[in-house]
Amino acid sequence: DGGITQSPKYLFRKEGQNVTLSCEQNLNHDAMYWYRQDPGQGLRLIYYSQIVNDFQKGDIAEGYSVSREKKESFPLTVTSAQKNPTAFYLCASSFYTGAIYFGEGSWLTVV
Amino acid sequence: AQKITQTQPGMFVQEKEAVTLDCTYDTSDPSYGLFWYKQPSSGEMIFLIYQGSYDQQNATEGRYSLNFQKARKSANLVISASQLGDSAMYFCAMRDTGGGADGLTFGKGTHLIIQP
Repeated sequence: DGGITQSPKYLFRKEGQNVTLSCEQNLNHDAMYWYRQDPGQGLRLIYYSQIVNDFQKGDIAEGYSVSREKKESFPLTVTSAQKNPTAFYLCASSFYTGAIYFGEGSWLTVV
Repeated sequence: AQKITQTQPGMFVQEKEAVTLDCTYDTSDPSYGLFWYKQPSSGEMIFLIYQGSYDQQNATEGRYSLNFQKARKSANLVISASQLGDSAMYFCAMRDTGGGADGLTFGKGTHLIIQP
């Protein structure tokens, strides 16, 4: 099936730990994105990548890192520098124009 | 900078009635796209409808239509014959389409509840 797959669905992080959220797409999309959503809020852009081996900071990149070694994959690492990481994280992808499609999301909780 | 404003935090509507969700936007880009997404309680973001800034006609997709008024910078979503399954959060969003792919700017959303 074509689509965007995020894993894990639920993740718990201890203080001081880095965690990595996976995002894979088989839609042959050029661009990929990571968004963060806090309860009752809209989505905010963390990072985006228009092409392999290149990515750009979004509005709230501090405390996060990404890589784009393959067209299909865009993992997000939430580092210990992110002081308030508890949120819902959504990965998305698109061609250069037109609609942006989302994965099912990952819930990250700090324990 | 782009900005999306959704002024209705929540709406209650009777089943089978039509619903209009408001969205106004602000941008200095001449080429842009406007989107509506539905987010049910499960969390996934479901793409509903797209309108390009140069499109001459309003977009329609099944029961969804986008009332695009460029001079007023508004892009309201109209849902005809609402159903119980339409209950969800609805987000208006936009992106620059002049070049590249730099992501969407979202509004804060409208929580729509359809009552039987």
